Amino acid sequence: EVQLVESGGGLVQPGGSLRLSCAASGFNVSSNYMSWVRQAPGKGLEWVSVIYSGGSTYYADSVTGRFTISRHNSKNTLYLQMHSLRAEDTAVYYCARDNKLYDSSRYPHYAMDVWGQGTTVTVSS
Amino acid sequence: AIRMTQSPSSFSASTGDRVTITCRASQGVSSYLAWYQQKPGQAPKLLIYAASTLQSGVPSRFSGSGSGTDFTLTISYLQSEDFAIYYCQQYSTYPRTFGQGTKVEIK
Repeated sequence: EVQLVESGGGLVQPGGSLRLSCAASGFNVSSNYMSWVRQAPGKGLEWVSVIYSGGSTYYADSVTGRFTISRHNSKNTLYLQMHSLRAEDTAVYYCARDNKLYDSSRYPHYAMDVWGQGTTVTVSS
Repeated sequence: AIRMTQSPSSFSASTGDRVTITCRASQGVSSYLAWYQQKPGQAPKLLIYAASTLQSGVPSRFSGSGSGTDFTLTISYLQSEDFAIYYCQQYSTYPRTFGQGTKVEIK
């Protein structure tokens, strides 16, 4: 079964650090694009970061320089290292497989087709 | 960053209704547009990608259209399980951006 399970969330003080993990099963993290998306309490979805199968990474402006996405291939796990956390980083963090899907013209598109259940990060003193 | 604007932000509908949600991009995104459904306490679910391609396993009452800056999600015959929040997302350029969401409520 294709599945993603996040962990590592919790309560952290402003300025602190936290590392989120996302364990995959049923597919290889290293062969796929993988993303993090977050959702602040009562708010909409915010894309955070992506790592390509080749290792390239991209970030939302709001987290650039503070967050780092990475993966451990043998553990089949995706990570999000978060530093200098702020109150506005409080959210449920989801990991997702950014799968290569094809349209009717057989042109590839990348969309998030498998999601974890989310892990909650609360930044507060 | 490309701004995605959905309308309406919320509305009430009855089962059996045909409903349409629109999504407008602040600049062209070609067909690099996906729609997600989210129910309370659950992770989002991919419905449509490439603006109009139905994800495997998604009921055919869902359909998408559009290209460039204007897109629509249509539910042809609303079912009870369709009451949820719907988000569009562009993946044409980074940072990827979501619309603010459209909440479909029971009338």
